[in-house]
Formats: sequence, C-alpha cells, structure tokens
Amino acid sequence: EDKVVQSPLSLVVHEGDTVTLNCSYEVTNFRSLLWYKQEKKAPTFLFMLTSSGIEKKSGRLSSILDKKELSSILNITATQTGDSAIYLCAHNNAGNNRKLIWGLGTSLAVNP
Amino acid sequence: DADVTQTPRNRITKTGKRIMLECSQTKGHDRMYWYRQDPGLGLRLIYYSFDVKDINKGEISDGYSVSRQAQAKFSLSLESAIPNQTALYFCATSSSLTGELFFGEGSRLTVL
Repeated sequence: EDKVVQSPLSLVVHEGDTVTLNCSYEVTNFRSLLWYKQEKKAPTFLFMLTSSGIEKKSGRLSSILDKKELSSILNITATQTGDSAIYLCAHNNAGNNRKLIWGLGTSLAVNP
Repeated sequence: DADVTQTPRNRITKTGKRIMLECSQTKGHDRMYWYRQDPGLGLRLIYYSFDVKDINKGEISDGYSVSRQAQAKFSLSLESAIPNQTALYFCATSSSLTGELFFGEGSRLTVL
C-alpha cells in the first residue's frame, strides 16, 4: 500500500533558526511530490517536485527531491513566527488517477 | 472572492440529521474532491469527481454521498449524521493537467 511518512511530527524552534522537514514515500508509481502549508485554514500550495536533484525555491523556503532515497526535504531558513504552521507532504500517484496520498504533517512552531 | 467556496463554514447538528455541505469553484477546474481532516489522521479522501458524469469513492466514503451538479459545484451529504463524522471538511479542485490542489476554507462540522 502506498504511503507517505513525514518527520518529525512536531518541532519547536526560535526565530532565525533554520529547519529541515522530511518526507519519505513508498509508492508504486511516482509522478510528483507536493508540499503544502496549513495555517489555521486551508492548505496552500508550496512546491511540486517531479525530478530528482532539482531544488525548488521560494524566498526562504526550498525543497528538493531524492528519488534514490525516496524522500524529499523542505528547508526554511531564518524562520519567522509567520512560518508557524503544519507542513504537509503528498504524493501524486500517476497510476491511480492522480489522487493524492498525504502524510500526517509536521507541526512547526516558531517562537519569538 | 475565494476561488473555492464552501458553505456552511461551521455547523453544529444532532445525530441522525441530514447535512449537506456545498462547494463551488470559479477556477474552471474539472476535478473536485471532498476530504475530511482529523487530528492524528491527516487528510483523508471521501469522494472525488473528475468531471460532471464521474463520481468515485475515496478511502472513507461510507456514510457519505456526493452530487456533482455542474462543473463548478460539488456537494457532500451526510444522510444520517453520527458523532464520529465530527471533523473539518475540505473541498478541493485541480485541473486535469497538474496534481496541484486548491482548497476551500473548510467546513467545521460538529455532530452531537
């Protein structure tokens, strides 16, 4: 059965710290891996990764996929309190009509 | 205005009542989804629809039904609500070209 596992489940850091969130997957057909940020409301899209080794970047956030290791990391540098959220990882299963398989998320708290 | 709109945003009801959650979108996407989110269980897919004539069960469809009234509208019904259907419900859309989901703001349902 396909699955996505995120670690750690929760993390508390101080403003200015750099954090690395992990997402590993076991899937039968790989198409893409997606990262979302969920604050109080709906998840919002961050990145889509399809090719191994190519970093996607948006401001202080970046993400990279390692297909050999079946994993992805999301890095946040110089964290701010506004980065506090749940970060969700999902796999897009090409063989299953593009339904997403979700991890449970990493809850990040950034303290001032 | 939000691209994906859910109504109601909050609802408290009693066991045995029929409840309908509605979703409409202005993104022009063909694919629509209903998820529920529970602490510790993450996002779980209830039903999805890839076009107006297409309805598919997700991983937790028991106790739910859906209707795709138009490309822009997808409603979720609980015919006889029970307390373990208390959850945060999300509608989402995607295009047939990418796996990126766009979420509504969520509907918090409490069944007493």
